[in-house]
Amino acid sequence: LAKTTQPISMDSYEGQEVNITCSHNNIATNDYITWYQQFPSQGPRFIIQGYKTKVTNEVASLFIPADRKSSTLSLPRVSLSDTAVYYCLVGDRVSGGYQKVTFGTGTKLQVIP
Amino acid sequence: DAGVTQSPTHLIKTRGQQVTLRCSPKSGHDTVSWYQQALGQGPQFIFQYYEEEERQRGNFPDRFSGHQFPNYSSELNVNALLLGDSALYLCASSLGRGHTGELFFGEGSRLTVL
Repeated sequence: LAKTTQPISMDSYEGQEVNITCSHNNIATNDYITWYQQFPSQGPRFIIQGYKTKVTNEVASLFIPADRKSSTLSLPRVSLSDTAVYYCLVGDRVSGGYQKVTFGTGTKLQVIP
Repeated sequence: DAGVTQSPTHLIKTRGQQVTLRCSPKSGHDTVSWYQQALGQGPQFIFQYYEEEERQRGNFPDRFSGHQFPNYSSELNVNALLLGDSALYLCASSLGRGHTGELFFGEGSRLTVL
């Protein structure tokens, strides 16, 4: 299973764009990259998933370079309610290996007024 | 459409006791995975159930066992509780086939072992 590395914490002011980068040097061919958000005492919530290039949805964008050894979650114009822990996961979606992935410690994002 | 529901939300046990946690998956989902989340840590995969069988297992001792019922709901059992078992236990549901890679989590069961 591919190991991921992400910053432990980040601070940002309200209204700014936040980019959180995750390293996954030994990502496998069948692995997808998935990001989750977790608020205190709640279960994680799916944000976005991608395989290569760029993926965008209503809440975030995910940038994946051609070598796929890293990925960047981009949150546009953050608000106080975006204060949470963000997890980067890498797993094989085909065989269900994404379900076995351990989350790691994640990145604690603190949005400042 | 009900999401993933877990019960109980909080419980307190003493060392050596046994505990059973319950999970109902999101409507339409047939796969349930269990995670343990200690304070300040990310969720750790315990095991996954699909078609009433344990399909994958993380690095947890045999004290942790589970079950999936025909209606896809699931139970997590922990025997001989240790202080270190104190954690938030999360249940996640997904589709075993045709899956999108998205896990839907419940709010968790907070277990305190004294």
